[in-house]
Amino acid sequence: AQSVTQLGSHVSVSEGALVLLRCNYSSSVPPYLFWYVQYPNQGLQLLLKYTTGATLVKGINGFEAEFKKSETSFHLTKPSAHMSDAAEYFCAVSLNSGYSTLTFGKGTMLLVSP
Amino acid sequence: KAGVTQTPRYLIKTRGQQVTLSCSPISGHRSVSWYQQTPGQGLQFLFEYFSETQRNKGNFPGRFSGRQFSNSRSEMNVSTLELGDSALYLCASSLVGEITEAFFGQGTRLTVV
Repeated sequence: AQSVTQLGSHVSVSEGALVLLRCNYSSSVPPYLFWYVQYPNQGLQLLLKYTTGATLVKGINGFEAEFKKSETSFHLTKPSAHMSDAAEYFCAVSLNSGYSTLTFGKGTMLLVSP
Repeated sequence: KAGVTQTPRYLIKTRGQQVTLSCSPISGHRSVSWYQQTPGQGLQFLFEYFSETQRNKGNFPGRFSGRQFSNSRSEMNVSTLELGDSALYLCASSLVGEITEAFFGQGTRLTVV
C-alpha cells in the first residue's frame, strides 16, 4: 500500500518569497506522483506530475517539483510567491498499475501575505 | 472541450434519507473515480469505474455505491445518510490504460442535517 505525508498543515510566506511545500511518500513500487491545487469551493487542478524520466518536473504557474527516490520525497517549490497562490495544495501518489486511484496527503494550506 | 461536470453542486439532506450524485466525464474518458473530502479525513478514495465495471473500491461501508453507464457517465448513491456523510464529493475522469492525469469536477457539497 502507498501513503503520502505532507509536512505542515499550514505554510505562511510573504509575497515574493520562496514557496516550499513538503511531500514524502511510501510505495512498494515505483510511484506516479502528483501535486494538485484546490481553491475554495472548487475541485482539484493538476499542477504537475512525475511518471518516469526527468526527476525535475515543471508545472503550471511557475511551480516545480523534484522526485528524489533516495529520500522518497517530491517537494513542491516556487521561487516567488504571488497572492494568487494562496490555496490548499495536495500531494498524491498512484501505483504504476494502470488504475486511476490516487492516495492523497492531508493537504497544506498556503497563506501569502503582502 | 468541456470539463468534468458534477450535479448538483449543493445538496442538503436529512439523516436517514438517500442521495444520488451525478458525474459526466470529459468526452473520451472512460474511467471515473469518486473521492470524499472532509476536514477531518481529507481526500479519500471511494471507487473507480471503467466500462461500467467497478475496478477498485475504497474502505467505505456498503451504504456507498456507484455505477457507470454506457456513455461513461457515473452516479454514486449514499443510502441511510448519517451526519458524518457531510462532505465534498469529487469526481475525476481519466483516460484508459495508464495514469496520466485525473481531471476533477468542482464537486458536490452534501450537507446532512
